[in-house]
Amino acid sequence: AQSVAQPEDQVNVAEGNPLTVKCTYSVSGNPYLFWYVQYPNRGLQFLLKYITGDNLVKGSYGFEAEFNKSQTSFHLKKPSALVSDSALYFCAVRDLAAAGNKLTFGGGTRVLVKP
Amino acid sequence: DTAVSQTPKYLVTQMGNDKSIKCEQNLGHDTMYWYKQDSKKFLKIMFSYNNKELIINETVPNRFSPKSPDKAHLNLHINSLELGDSAVYFCASSRRTRQETQYFGPGTRLLVL
Repeated sequence: AQSVAQPEDQVNVAEGNPLTVKCTYSVSGNPYLFWYVQYPNRGLQFLLKYITGDNLVKGSYGFEAEFNKSQTSFHLKKPSALVSDSALYFCAVRDLAAAGNKLTFGGGTRVLVKP
Repeated sequence: DTAVSQTPKYLVTQMGNDKSIKCEQNLGHDTMYWYKQDSKKFLKIMFSYNNKELIINETVPNRFSPKSPDKAHLNLHINSLELGDSAVYFCASSRRTRQETQYFGPGTRLLVL
C-alpha cells in the first residue's frame, strides 16, 4: 500500500524567509511524487512532480522539491516566501508497483506567510 | 478556456434526497477521477474512469454511482444523501500514462442538512 505523511499541520514563516514543507512517503515500488497547492475555496493547482532523473525538481511560482530516495522524502522548498504563498499544500504519491493511476495524498500542510 | 469544470459549485440539500454533480474536461484527457475532501481537508480518491471504463473504486458506498457518458464527462450521482456525505467533491482528469499530472476542477461543496 502507498502512503504519504506530512508531519506538520501548519508552517509559519516570515515573508522573505526560506519556506520548507516536509513530505515523506511509503511505496512498495518506485514512486512518482507530486506537490499541489490549494488556495481558499479553490481546487488543487499542480506545482511540480518527480518522475525520474535529477533529484531536484523545479516547479511553478519559484517552488522546488528534492527527491531523497534513502530518506523516502520529497520536501517542498522556496528560497524566499511571499505572503501570497499562504495556502494549503498537499504532497501526493503514485506507486509504480500498484495497478491503476491511484494518487494518494498526504493530510496537507497549511502555510502562513506573515508580512 | 481549457480546464476541468464542475457544476454546481454549491449544493445544499436535505437528508434522503438524491443529487448529481457534473464534471467536464476539455483537455483531451482519457482518464477522469472523483475525490472527496472532508472537513479536515483530507483528500481521498473515490473513483477513476478510463475511456468510460471504471478502473478504480475505493470502497465507496453503493449510494454513490459514477457515470461516464464519454471520456470528456464524469458525473457523480448520490442516492439517499446522509449527513456524512457533506464534503467538497473534486473532479480531476489526466492522460492514462502514470507519469501524467492530474488536473483538478474547482470543487463542489455539498452540505447535507
